[in-house]
Amino acid sequence: KNEVEQSPQNLTAQEGEFITINCSYSVGISALHWLQQHPGGGIVSLFMLSSGKKKHGRLIATINIQEKHSSLHITASHPRDSAVYICATSDKLIFGTGTRLQVFP
Amino acid sequence: NAGVTQTPKFRVLKTGQSMTLLCAQDMNHEYMYWYRQDPGMGLRLIHYSVGEGTTAKGEVPDGYNVSRLKKQNFLLGLESAAPSQTSVYFCASSPHRQGPSPLGNSPLHFGNGTRLTVT
Repeated sequence: KNEVEQSPQNLTAQEGEFITINCSYSVGISALHWLQQHPGGGIVSLFMLSSGKKKHGRLIATINIQEKHSSLHITASHPRDSAVYICATSDKLIFGTGTRLQVFP
Repeated sequence: NAGVTQTPKFRVLKTGQSMTLLCAQDMNHEYMYWYRQDPGMGLRLIHYSVGEGTTAKGEVPDGYNVSRLKKQNFLLGLESAAPSQTSVYFCASSPHRQGPSPLGNSPLHFGNGTRLTVT
C-alpha cells in the first residue's frame, strides 16, 4: 500500500462543476503540499497546510491531521483548471501519483 | 526573478553516454532536490542538498551523482546512462527543510522539468 494515496486517479467534469480530490496518507506529518502540474509539465505549489482550511481564489484545501486525510476542492471549475493535482507529505516528501482532471466547456 | 531554471529541457542519449543536468535557483534557497517522475508513480527523490557543499541520497540514487559547489546550482550527473533512466527529471528548491522546524514548513519551488530519453 502506498504511503500517500489519491483518489480519484482520473476525473472529468463539465465547466462550472464543483470538484473534490482526495488525499490519504499513512505516515505522520506536520504539513501537506498540494501541487498542480500543467499539461506542459511544469509543477507549481498551490497550498501547504498543517491544519484546517486554506483558500486561494476558487481553490480550497482542507486537512484533518488526526484522520490523515486532505481534500482539494475547486469551485466553479473551468477548462483552464485541467491539470494533474498532486499531494505530498511535507516531512518525508512522499508524493501521491496524482489526479488527472479534465474540465470540458 | 526566474525562480528555478532547469537545462536542458529535452535530451536523447544512447546507452552508456554521460550527461549533466543543471538546476539553478535565484531565491537564495538552502535546500535543493532532484526528482524523477515516471508514469503511474509519484515523484521520487534522487538526491538532495541541504546547503552549499553538501549532498545526500534520496530514495532512488543509484546511477546518479550530484554536486552543489555553489548555493544557487545543483547538478545531476548520469555517468553511464541506461534505458531505465528514461524519465522526466524535476529540480526543486525550498528556503529551509521540510517538516517541523522553528521556521515552520517550507513551500517547494519546481523547475519545468527535463525530459530524458535513453535509447
